[in-house]
Amino acid sequence: DTGVSQDPRHKITKRGQNVTFRCDPISEHNRLYWYRQTLGQGPEFLTYFQNEAQLEKSRLLSDRFSAERPKGSFSTLEIQRTEQGDSAMYLCASSLASGTGELFFGEGSRLTVL
Amino acid sequence: AQSVSQHNHHVILSEAASLELGCNYSYGGTVNLFWYVQYPGQHLQLLLKYFSGDPLVKGIKGFEAEFIKSKFSFNLRKPSVQWSDTAEYFCAVNGPGGGNKLTFGTGTQLKVEL
Repeated sequence: DTGVSQDPRHKITKRGQNVTFRCDPISEHNRLYWYRQTLGQGPEFLTYFQNEAQLEKSRLLSDRFSAERPKGSFSTLEIQRTEQGDSAMYLCASSLASGTGELFFGEGSRLTVL
Repeated sequence: AQSVSQHNHHVILSEAASLELGCNYSYGGTVNLFWYVQYPGQHLQLLLKYFSGDPLVKGIKGFEAEFIKSKFSFNLRKPSVQWSDTAEYFCAVNGPGGGNKLTFGTGTQLKVEL
């Protein structure tokens, strides 16, 4: 499978714990995006990278959230001191910077904070 | 900031009925427009896209959408729906007003009954 892959698919954690999600984009894609989706809402933009540079962050991305893409390939999204409001589906997508903006999505990582 | 409105949150149709889902966006400049579909238990997939040229675009599975610039609209249509079209549909837009990312609407949950 050469699509976008995310790990883990499901994570249940207690409030206050840290969690980390990983995303492996389509190999030739140089842009990587993180979105968050809650029930009844569309995906909300969190941040994106072009190669290893983080070019834009949403105001939704509080100080407890950090994303990295150290070698311009896979990316991690870490949430520190999780809160119940962080419960959501975290979606990763990738694209070509030279493309027309179409994003290719992974299946998401569902976070439940108890 | 860019915003996208989808007016129908839940739609229930019988098989063979015609479908039209509304989508309006806020930015008045040059935009790229997308419809994504999310089938139950699956990841977001591109249904169709508009970049330029013919404002009537055709996508997969018999779907089409019409870009009306004067109305800031990109409505999705299908002449005859099937039970397998049951899914959630998201309109999305990118362009200078929204930066190098897609802004999504809140989605329309479509249920097609036999």
